[in-house]
Amino acid sequence: DTGVSQDPRHKITKRGQNVTFRCDPISEHNRLYWYRQTLGQGPEFLTYFQNEAQLEKSRLLSDRFSAERPKGSFSTLEIQRTEQGDSAMYLCATPWKGRDGYTFGSGTRLTVV
Amino acid sequence: DQQVKQNSPSLSVQEGRISILNCDYTNSMFDYFLWYKKYPAEGPTFLISISSIKDKNEDGRFTVFLNKSAKHLSLHIVPSQPGDSAVYFCAATPQGGSEKLVFGKGTKLTVNP
Repeated sequence: DTGVSQDPRHKITKRGQNVTFRCDPISEHNRLYWYRQTLGQGPEFLTYFQNEAQLEKSRLLSDRFSAERPKGSFSTLEIQRTEQGDSAMYLCATPWKGRDGYTFGSGTRLTVV
Repeated sequence: DQQVKQNSPSLSVQEGRISILNCDYTNSMFDYFLWYKKYPAEGPTFLISISSIKDKNEDGRFTVFLNKSAKHLSLHIVPSQPGDSAVYFCAATPQGGSEKLVFGKGTKLTVNP
């Protein structure tokens, strides 16, 4: 139990299609993060929410990417007109409640063919 | 510009011996450091953290050392076990603001029985 649930675990899509991922923190926290990890790299920050407000976006987040966190609970990340370079693992994280560190979900592995 | 560097892509040790994983950082604003362990197809799992006001933090078999003047931290695992075989990521963040994590590229640890 990681404290963060991500759906789907795997997604294979054709180039040019739109995809949407969902992140559900098990316990509510006002902060929620999205990261992306590609082969041979560490996770890279994409965007950050404080409650429902998206407060910071990485330059990695092109205009084809959009993220939302309605009501400050679950979050969605949508990629429009997917490209092969979008193939990666997309990770969601929130701070632990009452503990140090951040808990990550198991991620969504996106493959664009 | 890699702000968090893990210069050893891989490390192999014998079961029962000490594993030492190293991490260097360049951003003086970082003041909170974390180590994560990651298995393939899973999200990172939090191991241990350290604040810049400390130089050592222990949790069971895991100890993290921080040398602020050298901008260097290390993770010691003793005794190493085969189940410790995974990729280990060092991450850093400045406290305040988004507190987003900046990750190194990881070190793949193999513990041989």
